[in-house]
Amino acid sequence: NAGVTQTPKFQVLKTGQSMTLQCAQDMNHEYMSWYRQDPGMGLRLIHYSVGAGITDQGEVPNGYNVSRSTTEDFPLRLLSAAPSQTSVYFCASSDSGTYTDTQYFGPGTRLTVL
Amino acid sequence: AQSVTQLDSHVSVSEGTPVLLRCNYSSSYSPSLFWYVQHPNKGLQLLLKYTSAATLVKGINGFEAEFKKSETSFHLTKPSAHMSDAAEYFCVVSDRGGFKTIFGAGTRLFVKA
Repeated sequence: NAGVTQTPKFQVLKTGQSMTLQCAQDMNHEYMSWYRQDPGMGLRLIHYSVGAGITDQGEVPNGYNVSRSTTEDFPLRLLSAAPSQTSVYFCASSDSGTYTDTQYFGPGTRLTVL
Repeated sequence: AQSVTQLDSHVSVSEGTPVLLRCNYSSSYSPSLFWYVQHPNKGLQLLLKYTSAATLVKGINGFEAEFKKSETSFHLTKPSAHMSDAAEYFCVVSDRGGFKTIFGAGTRLFVKA
């Protein structure tokens, strides 16, 4: 099993550009989520999905869109990049998303917005 | 509402000495509590979790944590630090209120030779 994979590993954007961060998992997990990690702030939840076709907002959803057309994939779209979106982005998955589940994390995407 | 506070942003220990990373939480329901470790430029990996069974939880690499409801704490300990333990550690709370988990700000552990 590859687990949770993310592409790209690094990305530099200019303000106003759009892009999609890819996330895929091969564990047949129902729950997937996106976090951003900023120094001194831990990980903050951007969006999550409890199954194909179902998504919801997390703590910091503004400026990001998601969709979940398959169980395996959960892309994160930045609509118009801003310097405040410079961060490290992690995708995670878990079996059902219940409060006892362990989350499995991808290796992260380091995004810089100039 | 859930929240989690990691009481130290940095902890420095010598190799072979005990490790204590402190975490306090609040939750409206009986929570699940987790510790994750992040090595430099890597993703997060589960160390251990508490899900309302035994209050003393043993994890990987010799770490353990004790759930203390009266103190709303879930401190992470290890009897003897190893150089490979140098990393950032996150305390995480999740409860029946929804599908969201809350991360602490993290504690960076330094291990001196």
